[in-house]
Amino acid sequence: DTGVSQDPRHKITKRGQNVTFRCDPISEHNRLYWYRQTLGQGPEFLTYFQNEAQLEKSRLLSDRFSAERPKGSFSTLEIQRTEQGDSAMYLCASNGQTSADTQYFGPGTRLTVL
Amino acid sequence: AQKVTQAQTEISVVEKEDVTLDCVYETRDTTYYLFWYKQPPSGELVFLIRRNSFDEQNEISGRYSWNFQKSTSSFNFTITASQVVDSAVYFCALSEGFGLVFGAGTILRVKS
Repeated sequence: DTGVSQDPRHKITKRGQNVTFRCDPISEHNRLYWYRQTLGQGPEFLTYFQNEAQLEKSRLLSDRFSAERPKGSFSTLEIQRTEQGDSAMYLCASNGQTSADTQYFGPGTRLTVL
Repeated sequence: AQKVTQAQTEISVVEKEDVTLDCVYETRDTTYYLFWYKQPPSGELVFLIRRNSFDEQNEISGRYSWNFQKSTSSFNFTITASQVVDSAVYFCALSEGFGLVFGAGTILRVKS
């Protein structure tokens, strides 16, 4: 049974560019979460999907951030017009039966904005 | 709003010492879940334990044990006979609706 996977693992971009990250959850999990983790802090919840429906997105950091899960399987997180403050680790997690179930995390995508 | 406080920023111990990581939480929910995760230098968050608010029984798993006290809103984590491989950042987290609220983490350094 494979775990949560994320791609790419590292991304370096210039300020103002758009970036997109991908997350593949554990196959039988219908819930998927995105978090951001900055240096020295715990992960911060961004958004949540149940199947293809995005049920919580008020925590996305600005309107430059958007996420999709078009077929209820993998998800993408896009940041438009990146800023240096967007540099962080972006984590994806998934779980199954209920939103209170244990969330299993992927290895993360480390974004560096120059 | 939910909040998790891990007051210990960093702890250093010598191998074989016991160490306790503190976690204090705030919530208005009557049903909630608490978690501990480990983040080794590789960066991936590793799940350790999940407890629900109705189960205050302490739990032991090998060298790890957890003490949940609802009266003091604490969920502390003890590693017995620490090993160098235990060196990592440990996070306590609280369920909040759909997402988790994490503490700032405690860096544990175990020296040989």
